[in-house]
Amino acid sequence: KNEVEQSPQNLTAQEGEFITINCSYSVGISALHWLQQHPGGGIVSLFMLSSGKKKHGRLIATINIQEKHSSLHITASHPRDSAVYICAVLPTSGTYKYIFGTGTRLKVLA
Amino acid sequence: NAGVTQTPKFQVLKTGQSMTLQCAQDMNHEYMSWYRQDPGMGLRLIHYSVGAGITDQGEVPNGYNVSRSTTEDFPLRLLSAAPSQTSVYFCASSYSFGNEQFFGPGTRLTVL
Repeated sequence: KNEVEQSPQNLTAQEGEFITINCSYSVGISALHWLQQHPGGGIVSLFMLSSGKKKHGRLIATINIQEKHSSLHITASHPRDSAVYICAVLPTSGTYKYIFGTGTRLKVLA
Repeated sequence: NAGVTQTPKFQVLKTGQSMTLQCAQDMNHEYMSWYRQDPGMGLRLIHYSVGAGITDQGEVPNGYNVSRSTTEDFPLRLLSAAPSQTSVYFCASSYSFGNEQFFGPGTRLTVL
């Protein structure tokens, strides 16, 4: 079993829908990152969370450290949100190594 | 700032050839890392560095070498290319481990 699991693996939505992508992890962490990988391959950092909730535009990220779970929400989804969303955790084990989920592929249809 | 740059963007090698993937950043970041991305497997850490002169192995280091002689540059060397090293390679950097990571555009490598 992977230490970081994302669900769903694939998601197709209609433009305007509210979208939720989940990330669960089994290790102790100090923080969690959400990344976006565009269809062209480029990867950008969306959020870094250690507690609570962050919002940027139509994107909202939440984390519950006790439940070892984070969610990424997209409100009023748009075709340009089509991408792979990747969750990465920073273990508290003292290593300098992120652990990545395998990503959620989102396609938003017009 | 150019951010994180990687060269080349595409490369085809024959089995047994060696080559170096270049990575540079101009943000004075201490933490740099190399990942490979394969279908269905997510990003896997090859090597990382927490500062000039300091490198360490990641999850999948076999067949790769790195060095960090300057803060800016973190080249990845393939010693003797194998078809199993066909992948997309990303370099990333951050101010320190745990801070926001900036990724390069990637290098698509095919080993025949």
